[in-house]
Amino acid sequence: EDQVTQSPEALRLQEGESSSLNCSYTVSGLRGLFWYRQDPGKGPEFLFTLYSAGEEKEKERLKATLTKKESFLHITAPKPEDSATYLCAVQEGGNAGNMLTFGGGTRLMVKP
Amino acid sequence: ETGVTQTPRHLVMGMTNKKSLKCEQHLGHNAMYWYKQSAKKPLELMFVYSLEERVENNSVPSRFSPECPNSSHLFLHLHTLQPEDSALYLCASSQVLRQNYGYTFGSGTRLTVV
Repeated sequence: EDQVTQSPEALRLQEGESSSLNCSYTVSGLRGLFWYRQDPGKGPEFLFTLYSAGEEKEKERLKATLTKKESFLHITAPKPEDSATYLCAVQEGGNAGNMLTFGGGTRLMVKP
Repeated sequence: ETGVTQTPRHLVMGMTNKKSLKCEQHLGHNAMYWYKQSAKKPLELMFVYSLEERVENNSVPSRFSPECPNSSHLFLHLHTLQPEDSALYLCASSQVLRQNYGYTFGSGTRLTVV
């Protein structure tokens, strides 16, 4: 059974204080690892897909990396508008419905 | 309209009521999903329709009944719910059979069972 664990559960940063969020996963044959951002009262919004170990993707202040066991979401010089819950999900190869298994999320709070 | 639209945004219902949640996607996707999001728990997959056929049921209680009349519309029919069913219900869509962006989510329906 696929498992996804995110840490920490919550993270408080000062504006400009860089940090990383962790996503550890167990899956039989990874098809893709996904990062989403979720604001309160809204649905998750897609950020990145990573497909193989060693892959990296960047978007503004965010950079996602992938190894065979975990993924990191690095946040460089965060701003208050980066405050949100960040969700990680894995997709196992061969599943007929593109199903994703989600982690519990990391709630990020960036103070000015 | 674009993306995935869910209605209503908020719903309060008694335990004896019957109601339905609606989801519509305007992306040309061929798979749709219902997820339940409760406080401090990961998103829980409830139902999957891929190419208009149900793929996954995930042992969801029978008081939840999905309906997918075509590839653009998805419903979740609710009856005799319990207070613990109060949660954010999220609909999503994707395009199966190709590497993709995962899901596109709607904004959800916040359900409160009283």
